[in-house]
Amino acid sequence: DAGITQSPRHKVTETGTPVTLRCHQTENHRYMYWYRQDPGHGLRLIHYSYGVKDTDKGEVSDGYSVSRSKTEDFLLTLESATSSQTSVYFCAITRDSTHEQYFGPGTRLTVT
Amino acid sequence: SQQGEEDPQALSIQEGENATMNCSYKTSINNLQWYRQNSGRGLVHLILIRSNEREKHSGRLRVTLDTSKKSSSLLITASRAADTASYFCATVPSGGGADGLTFGKGTHLIIQP
Repeated sequence: DAGITQSPRHKVTETGTPVTLRCHQTENHRYMYWYRQDPGHGLRLIHYSYGVKDTDKGEVSDGYSVSRSKTEDFLLTLESATSSQTSVYFCAITRDSTHEQYFGPGTRLTVT
Repeated sequence: SQQGEEDPQALSIQEGENATMNCSYKTSINNLQWYRQNSGRGLVHLILIRSNEREKHSGRLRVTLDTSKKSSSLLITASRAADTASYFCATVPSGGGADGLTFGKGTHLIIQP
């Protein structure tokens, strides 16, 4: 258990509304990641952070933004949710240079 | 784009049998990792093999790596019902890794009692 929590765990929202997902860690790790998981695609990286206020884009970053104002929190925002963003979102951290990742429990987001 | 590709996509075996899953990747790696995901849960790290290693064991898990073929296999021996899950390989590129792992699409393993 890497002390990672995600909130909310489930959310249903309407197309066009903004949505923010939160990832919280208790172990002060520098690197944090947001992935989405969809059937037939596995996990795909959305954004990642390598420190407070230091973030970068991943493979599928369009339509998403992130912020990290504190070491322990990494926020993922969908400025205007679309049905294609219906997915399960996972947050992860790495502990060391091997880049083994430890995952949160996930947030299931449905955009109607 | 996906780096790792697992094969088969789905596998169903009887309890007690061995399960083998394969992963192929495209670019040079620093290490390759295997993860398990139970239904509705997050991924759990199982085992890591470095690019200079050929085989690694952890309990009932055996991982092999062939960098010349850019492939890896995960063997689960004496399978149990609790091994029913999806299994993913993920790669860390040579000289990198801070920008996240590249995951395959997974193998869904079902252990029949």
